[in-house]
Amino acid sequence: NAGVTQTPKFRVLKTGQSMTLLCAQDMNHEYMYWYRQDPGMGLRLIHYSVGEGTTAKGEVPDGYNVSRLKKQNFLLGLESAAPSQTSVYFCASSYGKGAEQFFGPGTRLTVL
Amino acid sequence: GIQVEQSPPDLILQEGANSTLRCNFSDSVNNLQWFHQNPWGQLINLFYIPSGTKQNGRLSATTVATERYSLLYISSSQTTDSGVYFCAAENTGGFKTIFGAGTRLFVKA
Repeated sequence: NAGVTQTPKFRVLKTGQSMTLLCAQDMNHEYMYWYRQDPGMGLRLIHYSVGEGTTAKGEVPDGYNVSRLKKQNFLLGLESAAPSQTSVYFCASSYGKGAEQFFGPGTRLTVL
Repeated sequence: GIQVEQSPPDLILQEGANSTLRCNFSDSVNNLQWFHQNPWGQLINLFYIPSGTKQNGRLSATTVATERYSLLYISSSQTTDSGVYFCAAENTGGFKTIFGAGTRLFVKA
């Protein structure tokens, strides 16, 4: 039982490049979330999904897109990376609304 | 949306000391969690506690939902307790979880 996994663990991009971060969970959870954490701050919600095929905006959605084609996977895309998107990205999943969230190990992204 | 405030922002303890961390939230919540982020950045679930009291070893937590606060107690602190402690709340009106800014704890040997 791997829990929540994220790939890649680290990535460096140049401004304007695109990339996709993958989150996978093996707990059969309905809800999945993408957060970003900037230095000295708590996590902020980017997008979330309440089930396969659904997505919704969180606190800071601009510049990101997401897809939930399979229940176990939640993808976060950056179409044209900007230095302001340098951050650590965390994925999480939960059984349902109000349930305990479980987090992946994070992806450290640097945009030059 | 819901506001989550944590105090104190920073805390330095001598090994063996006890401490209390506080989390205030501005609205009714479905979910209140406490996490420990270790020096390697990993987020570790401590408590899922939308109300009531729970204990796990040297740690315990209490949430008083009607008064909109939660407390995390650390007893007999150890150097491995160092890191950042976050509380996170999901309000009853939606699906969005809001994190506090965290309490940075350093335990000296």
